[in-house]
Amino acid sequence: KAGVTQTPRYLIKTRGQQVTLSCSPISGHRSVSWYQQTPGQGLQFLFEYFSETQRNKGNFPGRFSGRQFSNSRSEMNVSTLELGDSALYLCASRGGNGEKLFFGSGTQLSVL
Amino acid sequence: SQQGEEDPQALSIQEGENATMNCSYKTSINNLQWYRQNSGRGLVHLILIRSNEREKHSGRLRVTLDTSKKSSSLLITASRAADTASYFCATDANNYGQNFVFGPGTRLSVLP
Repeated sequence: KAGVTQTPRYLIKTRGQQVTLSCSPISGHRSVSWYQQTPGQGLQFLFEYFSETQRNKGNFPGRFSGRQFSNSRSEMNVSTLELGDSALYLCASRGGNGEKLFFGSGTQLSVL
Repeated sequence: SQQGEEDPQALSIQEGENATMNCSYKTSINNLQWYRQNSGRGLVHLILIRSNEREKHSGRLRVTLDTSKKSSSLLITASRAADTASYFCATDANNYGQNFVFGPGTRLSVLP
């Protein structure tokens, strides 16, 4: 099976812009989670989608949003970018009994 | 505050030596997992230990769990340069895996 695929791998944006990141989970996995990773804050949970519904949400402002499509692919959007949004954004999928997360390689977002 | 806290933050050892990393957490859990991350990449699942287990082995990895102390340790035996990475513990915070909380990680450097 192909692994979790995240696109793009790198992204450079300026403050005030918006960005959309994409994640394709492992085939058959219906749960997709998003994490933000920064040197100062570590891995922070953003949200989880399951069967097109947001099942869980972390403590992030409303500028961070996401969605999941019927084929389980997921996108996350960040509007009105701030310098502090610079981070590695990781997507993870899980299936079956859902105990293990399978991560993509991440999207490195730089906000200038 | 984060559920999991690893220590040490960084560890540097020679090839062939053993590496021990510790993780503490705050609330009840169903399971605790360890993940590995090579620089700037996604995380890879290493091992899962359930709350009713005390020790688990996988190859050169040995994980222990002490629920009374809310702590876990990861031992990597006979380390190799390729083990150089960051290691994270993750807990499901006893909410049946709907959300995983990661510690800040231990950066392991194995010197040849």
